[in-house]
Amino acid sequence: DTEVTQTPKHLVMGMTNKKSLKCEQHMGHRAMYWYKQKAKKPPELMFVYSYEKLSINESVPSRFSPECPNSSLLNLHLHALQPEDSALYLCASSSRSSSPYNEQFFGPGTRLTVL
Amino acid sequence: DAKTTQPNSMESNEEEPVHLPCNHSTISGTDYIHWYRQLPSQGPEYVIHGLTSNVNNRMASLAIAEDRKSSTLILHRATLRDAAVYYCTSYSGAGSYQLTFGKGTKLSVIP
Repeated sequence: DTEVTQTPKHLVMGMTNKKSLKCEQHMGHRAMYWYKQKAKKPPELMFVYSYEKLSINESVPSRFSPECPNSSLLNLHLHALQPEDSALYLCASSSRSSSPYNEQFFGPGTRLTVL
Repeated sequence: DAKTTQPNSMESNEEEPVHLPCNHSTISGTDYIHWYRQLPSQGPEYVIHGLTSNVNNRMASLAIAEDRKSSTLILHRATLRDAAVYYCTSYSGAGSYQLTFGKGTKLSVIP
């Protein structure tokens, strides 16, 4: 199974809501990633988890809170978002983050709209 | 900041070879070059990667210049399913490597 799944596919939320995005992989990968992609732009790295520990936080605002409960799951908790946070949120995994030649497997993304 | 630059768009005829260029004159000697592509409404998909020498796999070939300031992704016979945005990325870091995506080249394939 070489698939990364993300739920939900679409999410609409108000600026006062709290919601969570979920990502799952069963490839035994120990590195997981969150990216943000605005329309017609490339993906931008947000967070990297390595062996369930946060190893990279690309200066992401605290209204985005990642969590890695186990090696297969990655969550992104959202609260008090702004309309400019509307984007496609992509999850990815790779066997390890400490190797520069491991490919990353991406999920299809969650399309988030903040009203 | 992106370490790679690519043309915004390219066109190819179906079943013709396609050469997608990428400039990466500012990457360090230990940065790998990875290529990903993103089909409409999908997440990026890995295509190929390399460091110094040319590489081939079932999807494509990667030709890296000797001075490592540029590389070219080669699709040997473009099909309609190859229409996508192709990202040339640098894979760099210390301890925890991360992908830095370029702006991408939108490839259109003409039947």
